[in-house]
Amino acid sequence: GAGVSQTPSNKVTEKGKYVELRCDPISGHTALYWYRQSLGQGPEFLIYFQGTGAADDSGLPNDRFFAVRPEGSVSTLKIQRTERGDSAVYLCASSLLRGGRNEQFFGPGTRLTVL
Amino acid sequence: AQSVTQLDSQVPVFEEAPVELRCNYSSSVSVYLFWYVQYPNQGLQLLLKYLSGSTLVKGINGFEAEFNKSQTSFHLRKPSVHISDTAEYFCAVSELGGSYIPTFGRGTSLIVHP
Repeated sequence: GAGVSQTPSNKVTEKGKYVELRCDPISGHTALYWYRQSLGQGPEFLIYFQGTGAADDSGLPNDRFFAVRPEGSVSTLKIQRTERGDSAVYLCASSLLRGGRNEQFFGPGTRLTVL
Repeated sequence: AQSVTQLDSQVPVFEEAPVELRCNYSSSVSVYLFWYVQYPNQGLQLLLKYLSGSTLVKGINGFEAEFNKSQTSFHLRKPSVHISDTAEYFCAVSELGGSYIPTFGRGTSLIVHP
């Protein structure tokens, strides 16, 4: 079956603009995660959904970042008033169940560049 | 809270040579351990994981890792590398009974030369 997909693959925007990044998880996966990966770093946790609800949003850096998953499948990460420091690759992952032992399947990421 | 240290940012090696990528972790409780590989412009792919049981874990593409609780390490090894193994490798840890969010290391870039 299809893996995790993310759109767009690349997004270039200007400082101060609003962006939306989309994630389509593997069908049937209840858990969905967003990470941010800066150059030369490992993925940094942003937010985790179990079903439709955000079970843990402790990684969101500030209130400019918000994510939704209204029907428990597709998720959208929203960034308001973008800043140059938001430039990074945003990764989405999904897993069949919650829990630290479950393998996460990653999408290819969206590379965000804020000019 | 858990943490992960990947001691080498870059490991150059010749094709068909053995390689070891080092990973140390810190946690006050028992952990699950993972190694992921990231090829250029792709997402992370699970290589192997340690959940419990045998401390020697075998994964895909001929990789294996050994969990050493006393040294809090989970080093990744391959006896003979190929050019196609050139990629970024990430070690990750999550805690039993705690947060189910894994913490990733900074990554090690494996560069295989012909």
